[in-house]
Amino acid sequence: NAGVMQNPRHLVRRRGQEARLRCSPVKGHSHVYWYRQLPEEGLKFMVYLQKENIIDESGMPKERFSAEFPKEGPSILRIQQVVRGDSAAYFCASSPTGNQPQHFGDGTRLSIL
Amino acid sequence: EDKVVQSPLSLVVHEGDTVTLNCSYEVTNFRSLLWYKQEKKAPTFLFMLTSSGIEKKSGRLSSILDKKELFSILNITATQTGDSAIYLCAVEALGGTYKYIFGTGTRLKVLA
Repeated sequence: NAGVMQNPRHLVRRRGQEARLRCSPVKGHSHVYWYRQLPEEGLKFMVYLQKENIIDESGMPKERFSAEFPKEGPSILRIQQVVRGDSAAYFCASSPTGNQPQHFGDGTRLSIL
Repeated sequence: EDKVVQSPLSLVVHEGDTVTLNCSYEVTNFRSLLWYKQEKKAPTFLFMLTSSGIEKKSGRLSSILDKKELFSILNITATQTGDSAIYLCAVEALGGTYKYIFGTGTRLKVLA
């Protein structure tokens, strides 16, 4: 009965590098959501995916950010050419259907040097 | 623009006190309101509210929604130090697809 698993827990990158954040949803959940949390701010929606499909990416920055949820394996949030402003906690959540409560992972704390 | 506002921003109480946390919202196409508790790690689900006036209860925690006045409250009775956390309110609203809009949270500290 594992919950949402995110890795790594902490990730340090230098400006210009790529960051890859992984999320394995609760077993049986096919809906995955990514959020970003800046210090002293609430969680901000980024993207909503189902297996092999991006359903809603209205919260994703237009450049450098991408997400996928392949048929096999975890969901990946990818940030290319990272900048200092990308430093944040990134949370993944999953749900079995689109209208049931989302369950969150422990997050990945991304620090950009 | 859709928004969710929580108050107070922070609160310090002593064990045994009762606290009331507030969440007000302005969104289009409301579907549900959810409360989460966030300690150092993952936000953990507490309640999902969809109907006005029906109290949801879990142990010392309870919550109710008022869809006419657009707010919800989360009550915690007989607080314990383990209740210290950030309490997040999220509203599920339609914007393309249904998505959660979070408030900034209420940081609760319970002193022994």
